[in-house]
Amino acid sequence: GAGVSQTPSNKVTEKGKYVELRCDPISGHTALYWYRQSLGQGPEFLIYFQGTGAADDSGLPNDRFFAVRPEGSVSTLKIQRTERGDSAVYLCASSSTGGPDTQYFGPGTRLTVL
Amino acid sequence: GDSVTQMEGPVTLSEEAFLTINCTYTATGYPSLFWYVQYPGEGLQLLLKATKADDKGSNKGFEATYRKETTSFHLEKGSVQVSDSAVYFCALSDHGESSGDKLTFGTGTRLAVRP
Repeated sequence: GAGVSQTPSNKVTEKGKYVELRCDPISGHTALYWYRQSLGQGPEFLIYFQGTGAADDSGLPNDRFFAVRPEGSVSTLKIQRTERGDSAVYLCASSSTGGPDTQYFGPGTRLTVL
Repeated sequence: GDSVTQMEGPVTLSEEAFLTINCTYTATGYPSLFWYVQYPGEGLQLLLKATKADDKGSNKGFEATYRKETTSFHLEKGSVQVSDSAVYFCALSDHGESSGDKLTFGTGTRLAVRP
């Protein structure tokens, strides 16, 4: 079946602009995670959804970052007033329960802020 | 907080050589441990996992044993192939009640295998 998909695959924007990154999880997966991977680093947790609600947003770096999952499937990560330091690959992962289970990762969106 | 430390790369080996990538962790609870792999141009894939002490995860000739006494989860393979060239990430999940299974990753180790 289809895996996790993310759009766009690449996004180039200017400092101060607003961006939206989309994640389509595997059908039926109730748990959805966002991570950020900076160059040469491992992914860092941003936010976890169980269904429609954000159960843990402790990884969001500041209030410029926000994510939604209104119908419990597709999720959108929103970044306001982008800064050059926001440049990274943004990864989405989903799993069937949010419990001890394998997370399946999407290919990522590479965000470049000029 | 939770953290994962893995050996820095790059690691360069000849085909059929023995591979070890060291990984140690710090966790407040009793985590599950994972190795993920990222092949060139592809997304992260789970390679293997172990959920309790002394468990051995294995896949594609790779194996790692959950060692609680040394807080380690070293990755090994007896004979590497060129196709194993990739970046390998050690990770843990601490099963928080509200945090699901959020993963804490190491910085990654790049492996290059020469023919």
